[in-house]
Order: sequence, then structure tokens, then C-alpha cells
Amino acid sequence: SQQGEEDPQALSIQEGENATMNCSYKTSINNLQWYRQNSGRGLVHLILIRSNEREKHSGRLRVTLDTSKKSSSLLITASRAADTASYFCATDTPGGGNKLTFGTGTQLKVEL
Amino acid sequence: SAVISQKPSRDICQRGTSLTIQCQVDSQVTMMFWYRQQPGQSLTLIATANQGSEATYESGFVIDKFPISRPNLTFSTLTVSNMSPEDSSIYLCSVIARGTDTQYFGPGTRLTVL
Repeated sequence: SQQGEEDPQALSIQEGENATMNCSYKTSINNLQWYRQNSGRGLVHLILIRSNEREKHSGRLRVTLDTSKKSSSLLITASRAADTASYFCATDTPGGGNKLTFGTGTQLKVEL
Repeated sequence: SAVISQKPSRDICQRGTSLTIQCQVDSQVTMMFWYRQQPGQSLTLIATANQGSEATYESGFVIDKFPISRPNLTFSTLTVSNMSPEDSSIYLCSVIARGTDTQYFGPGTRLTVL
């Protein structure tokens, strides 16, 4: 079953703007990971944030985690047309054997 | 990170036939998984591929339909048996490298069943 819900389902912005995507989950987690998928191809790993971390950065990406609200956000700054893709969050749980439960995904379109 | 390859990258198959998908990793990994992504949907875990023993299947997935092998630490296969159009999906393998929690995915196999 899907643990995560993501919003918005779809997001359209202009190149250069920032894009924020949100992910909510239902149970305690070990880690939360964000992935990008271009046009139904394989998933590209973006960032992993552990349950005891609150914020991580990687290049133009900033991820926050609020375990009290069971939510995470992914911020892409200064977006580019090449950022157009679907973005998914995925969580693994204590004792869950590293199995990932995926969110519903956000489709991001960055227009020139 | 781990470099993962999958074969075939895509296939179109007839109803009632079976297809075996291969997943190869460039380094020894601790865990391997198989996921399914139905059209327009998110990913769902099919099973954990265990080295040298039977895979561990998630609810709704059975060995007779999705037999999985993992003969060593770097290779696994997933077979989709007796296919129907409802099996049309992208099938992805994933791995966790030693000493990390990061899960990396292969490029996927896009399966269409007519």
C-alpha cells in the first residue's frame, strides 16, 4: 500500500523559479529518499535524509524533514527545463528490511 | 553508487507467454529488490531477492506469477509468467550497496502485453 502522499500532483513553473514539492507519510521511518524519474525511465536517486536529520542540501536541492508532522519537502532552486520530470519520495521503516514505500509523485514541468 | 543494468530495456509480448528480466550490478550489494510501476502510477514493491534462497514476496504478489532468482550477490532475474495485459508495466530492480542505506534503481524494463 502507498504510505506517502505528495502534493501537488502536478506543478508547472517558469525556468529560474523555485519548485517546492511536499511528501507526507503515515508511520515512523528510518530514512526518507527523494528520486527523479524522466519520462517513465529509471529512477535517479537525489538525496537521502535520516530520521534524526532536519535538513540536507545537494547542489540546487534542499530537503527538509519534520518527523513530528510526518512530512518532508523538496525544494529545487533556480529551476531549469532539464528538471522537468516526476519526483517521488520513498520511506523505509524500522525493522522493515530497507523496503521502500513510495509516495504518489509530483509531475514537475519547467517551461522556458 | 552502484551501476545497474537491466535486460531487456523493453519488450512487447503476447498474452499467455512469459518474460524473464535480468538485473546485473557492477559491485557486490547487500540487498536486491524488484518493483513494478503500472502506467501513470507510483512504484510498488514486488519482492526482496534473497541470495541463494527463495525471494520474500509482498502482499498481492506470488512466486508462481513472479518467480525470482538471485544466484549470487550481483545478479537477479524476475520472470513475469502467463502474462496478461494487466501486467503491462515498468519493472525495476534496485540495490543497496554495502555500508549504505541508499537504494539505487536500474533503468527499468518497459513491458507491454498484447
